[in-house]
Amino acid sequence: GEDVEQSLFLSVREGDSSVINCTYTDSSSTYLYWYKQEPGAGLQLLTYIFSNMDMKQDQRLTVLLNKKDKHLSLRIADTQTGDSAIYFCAESMGSGGGADGLTFGKGTHLIIQP
Amino acid sequence: ETGVTQSPTHLIKTRGQQVTLRCSSQSGHNTVSWYQQALGQGPQFIFQYYREEENGRGNFPPRFSGLQFPNYSSELNVNALELDDSALYLCASSLFGATGDTQYFGPGTRLTVL
Repeated sequence: GEDVEQSLFLSVREGDSSVINCTYTDSSSTYLYWYKQEPGAGLQLLTYIFSNMDMKQDQRLTVLLNKKDKHLSLRIADTQTGDSAIYFCAESMGSGGGADGLTFGKGTHLIIQP
Repeated sequence: ETGVTQSPTHLIKTRGQQVTLRCSSQSGHNTVSWYQQALGQGPQFIFQYYREEENGRGNFPPRFSGLQFPNYSSELNVNALELDDSALYLCASSLFGATGDTQYFGPGTRLTVL
């Protein structure tokens, strides 16, 4: 079955790095995603990684994938108050078009301390 | 901005009624997916439409149905509303088979069932 697990809360100081972790159970996942959701808003795609990659970097964001342990992480460098949001990890088994949809975790609330 | 819009923003219905939610996909995207996000939870996949036909479905009963039109618009219909249907409903558009199978979300419609 499919299951995506995340810690519910993470608190960091402004300017520090944030590391949000996720574990998933389905080894056939093709793509893994990170989405951001601000209060009262929809989901914003931050980045995604193909399952045959180990790392992907995009400006302040670094995604690490350990396929053996089914562990995904998102590192946000130099965390700012605007990064305060809920971060969702999601997986897709899509062989094309994602007909099975995305499976999401419950989200990690990132809290920024001044 | 993802270019995906949804209407209405908020909606209040009573138990047993029927509701139609609307979505306008990003231009050029031929696939739309619908998700239900209960309070404090991650989004759950309802179904996906590709070229105006249902292409995949999550664990939702038949009273959840949809339509996709050639002009990039789509609808989610829910019959016989139940209290547990209260949630944020998100649509996401994508291009079938594109690299990353990336889905771009609208801002959502918040449905309250009394």
